[in-house]
Amino acid sequence: DSGVTQTPKHLITATGQRVTLRCSPRSGDLSVYWYQQSLDQGLQFLIQYYNGEERAKGNILERFSAQQFPDLHSELNLSSLELGDSALYFCASSVGTGHMNTEAFFGQGTRLTVV
Amino acid sequence: GEDVEQSLFLSVREGDSSVINCTYTDSSSTYLYWYKQEPGAGLQLLTYIFSNMDMKQDQRLTVLLNKKDKHLSLRIADTQTGDSAIYFCADQNSGNTPLVFGKGTRLSVIA
Repeated sequence: DSGVTQTPKHLITATGQRVTLRCSPRSGDLSVYWYQQSLDQGLQFLIQYYNGEERAKGNILERFSAQQFPDLHSELNLSSLELGDSALYFCASSVGTGHMNTEAFFGQGTRLTVV
Repeated sequence: GEDVEQSLFLSVREGDSSVINCTYTDSSSTYLYWYKQEPGAGLQLLTYIFSNMDMKQDQRLTVLLNKKDKHLSLRIADTQTGDSAIYFCADQNSGNTPLVFGKGTRLSVIA
């Protein structure tokens, strides 16, 4: 158990809908990262939050957004869903001090299926 | 942008050594990682190496880094069926930046 909790584990929804994925980082970790894993694209970085603020942005679509709350949990919002959004969405957390190696721990992922 | 490349498949016999290779493009990479993903599971950190190191050994795992060629490898000695998984190489610019992953190498161990 990595200590990173993602809910729900599975989600099936229709095209055009909106969903929210939730991540609780390990206790004490300030950085949260979201990744999308699909068969053709591999593991793609979406966005990172550090202590409540957006820190880095990757290949995140405009239809997607995220936030990190004061208690450090994070939510990834996916809207106007398309079939191609079906993927495994991972959250990872790290201490994120910036001056030393900070191991990233991954959650089990949320499998999103858009039908 | 940064890129990390891996071969997609590797098949070895039980008891043999496995070598999974990875190349990366970011010359500023500070940390390089190997993660393992078993079916239906998340990513598990196996090992990592700092860019100022050439080699790191951890039980059955040996990581070799050729910084000049931007080449990283993971050797698994005495490969077991339980090692069957997808192995991801990742690099990181500093301790607080996102990891850039390769597409993963699917290791199949034949009994």
